[in-house]
Amino acid sequence: DAGVTQSPTHLIKTRGQQVTLRCSPKSGHDTVSWYQQALGQGPQFIFQYYEEEERQRGNFPDRFSGHQFPNYSSELNVNALLLGDSALYLCASSLSMRNTEAFFGQGTRLTVV
Amino acid sequence: QQQVKQSPQSLIVQKGGIPIINCAYENTAFDYFPWYQQFPGKGPALLIAIRPDVSEKKEGRFTISFNKSAKQFSLHIMDSQPGDSATYFCAASLEYGNKLVFGAGTILRVKS
Repeated sequence: DAGVTQSPTHLIKTRGQQVTLRCSPKSGHDTVSWYQQALGQGPQFIFQYYEEEERQRGNFPDRFSGHQFPNYSSELNVNALLLGDSALYLCASSLSMRNTEAFFGQGTRLTVV
Repeated sequence: QQQVKQSPQSLIVQKGGIPIINCAYENTAFDYFPWYQQFPGKGPALLIAIRPDVSEKKEGRFTISFNKSAKQFSLHIMDSQPGDSATYFCAASLEYGNKLVFGAGTILRVKS
């Protein structure tokens, strides 16, 4: 079992650009959540996808958007990047929305310069 | 009301000691309380979790104590080892939807 896999592992972007991060959930999992973890802080919930729809959203602007594909994999898109978007972006998957156990990937380290 | 407050911010113990990390929450609708361990450059890994219908849960060297009336829960690590040196996060979520609210984290260092 490969667990939750994320790509790329590191990324450097310029302010104002757009970025797409990718996530493949753990085998058998159909629910994917995205979190932003700033340096020295706990992860903050961005949004959650189930059945290819956004089901829950945290306190993040519309510049953050996502998508879930029929194979349950997911993308996180961030437009008009700001320096403050620099963080570790984590993907977590779970068996279903009713299952609370969430497994995290290793994250994508995004640096905005 | 969605916050989870975690303390201490950092902790140093000797090998074999029992570090204790505490968390407090406000939202009484929270129904699931996990602890995650994170090593540098890695994602958080689920250690142990508890629901509010029990007061204590043990898995290996890790124990969660839960006090529903005080809205507090804590992690104890028995016989701590240098390999336990990591950042520990408490979290909480509602029964449905598994949106996790995390504490700020505790950096644990176990000295050999």
